[in-house]
Amino acid sequence: AQKITQTQPGMFVQEKEAVTLDCTYDTSDPSYGLFWYKQPSSGEMIFLIYQGSYDQQNATEGRYSLNFQKARKSANLVISASQLGDSAMYFCAMRGFGMRFGAGTRLTVKP
Amino acid sequence: ETGVTQTPRHLVMGMTNKKSLKCEQHLGHNAMYWYKQSAKKPLELMFVYSLEERVENNSVPSRFSPECPNSSHLFLHLHTLQPEDSALYLCASSLFSGIQDTQYFGPGTRLTVL
Repeated sequence: AQKITQTQPGMFVQEKEAVTLDCTYDTSDPSYGLFWYKQPSSGEMIFLIYQGSYDQQNATEGRYSLNFQKARKSANLVISASQLGDSAMYFCAMRGFGMRFGAGTRLTVKP
Repeated sequence: ETGVTQTPRHLVMGMTNKKSLKCEQHLGHNAMYWYKQSAKKPLELMFVYSLEERVENNSVPSRFSPECPNSSHLFLHLHTLQPEDSALYLCASSLFSGIQDTQYFGPGTRLTVL
């Protein structure tokens, strides 16, 4: 069975600083995809970044990067130069046979 | 309209009512999903449709009835709901291309069952 764990219910970061949101996973599937989504207070889930299990390099999308450590089964999201608009819930998700989401981390960016 | 749209955005209903949630995607995808997001619980996958056929149903109570008439539209018919069904219901779509299957979400319908 697939399992996604986000151990940080809430995180605070100062504006313009970098922050790392943790995600660990467990799966017996040899192939899987890892995703991060952002959910502002409006409710919509916004896709941020994707990492495939066979990808050799860590994924990057603008200020977002994914620190993928396959042996440790971790896929942490790094947000560089935080902005006030980054305040939201962040969800890690994994797609193998189905799509499973973690419990989420609430990020608050302080001015 | 672009992306994934959902209507209504907010819905309040009694336990004896019948209502429907609508989702429409304008991305040319061939798979659509319903998720339930309750307070303090992870997002729960309810139904998956691929090419208008249901491919996954995660033991959802029969008071939730999905319908996918074509690859662009998805409905969730609701009847005889319980207060614990109050939640944010999110629709998503994707190309259903395996592990690289990025799902794009709509804004959700906030449902309150009285």
